[in-house]
Amino acid sequence: GESVGLHLPTLSVQEGDNSIINCAYSNSASDYFIWYKQESGKGPQFIIDIRSNMDKRQGQRVTVLLNKTVKHLSLQIAATQPGDSAVYFCAENMESGGGNKLTFGTGTQLKVEL
Amino acid sequence: DGGITQSPKYLFRKEGQNVTLSCEQNLNHDAMYWYRQDPGQGLRLIYYSQIVNDFQKGDIAEGYSVSREKKESFPLTVTSAQKNPTAFYLCASSTGRWETQYFGPGTRLLVL
Repeated sequence: GESVGLHLPTLSVQEGDNSIINCAYSNSASDYFIWYKQESGKGPQFIIDIRSNMDKRQGQRVTVLLNKTVKHLSLQIAATQPGDSAVYFCAENMESGGGNKLTFGTGTQLKVEL
Repeated sequence: DGGITQSPKYLFRKEGQNVTLSCEQNLNHDAMYWYRQDPGQGLRLIYYSQIVNDFQKGDIAEGYSVSREKKESFPLTVTSAQKNPTAFYLCASSTGRWETQYFGPGTRLLVL
C-alpha cells in the first residue's frame, strides 16, 4: 500500500552543522506535505509545510525541498543547535477511500552532539 | 493564549474500566482528530470530526468512542474492549479537513 517512509531512523550531527532529514513517499497524487518536530513526551510541533506546486520553501533556519520526480522530501536545518534534538517526521496528504487523509511517517531521531 | 489542551497528562486504567481523555481547543478549528502513538511507529488515526455532532472512524477505531457536542471539545473514551490501550494519545485540530494539524501535549495511558 501507499506509505510515507524515512531513510534513517537516527541522525547524529555536530552542533553548528547543517542537518538533512529525508522522507520518501510513494503516492504521486499527494499534494501537501508537513514536517513535524516531536520532543520526548510532548506532542508534535508544526515546523513547515509545502504544497506540490512548489519545490522549495524556507522558514527560520529550516528549508523543505520537494522532488516530485523521485517522490522525495527533505528537511534541512541550518546551524543545528542542541534544542533541535528531537524526532522529526513528515506527513503526506493523500487520497484514501474517496477522501483525503494525512499519513505520518515513523520519524527520524536527530541527536545533536556538542 | 490559544492552543490545544489535553488532560490528564498521565492516566491509569484498571482492567475492564472505561476511561475518557479530554481534548479542548480555542483555535476556532472545525476539524479535530485523535491519534495513537506507539514506540517506533507512526501516528495512527483513531477518530476524526469535521464538524459538531459528526465524526468518522479512522484506521483503528475498535475499542474507542468519541463525541463532538461542542466545537471546542472532542473527548475520547477508551473502552474495556480495547485490549491493548497502553500508548501515547494525541489530539489535533485543523481549520479544515486534512489541512495543517496542530497537536496537543498528549496523554499517556497506562494499564494497572
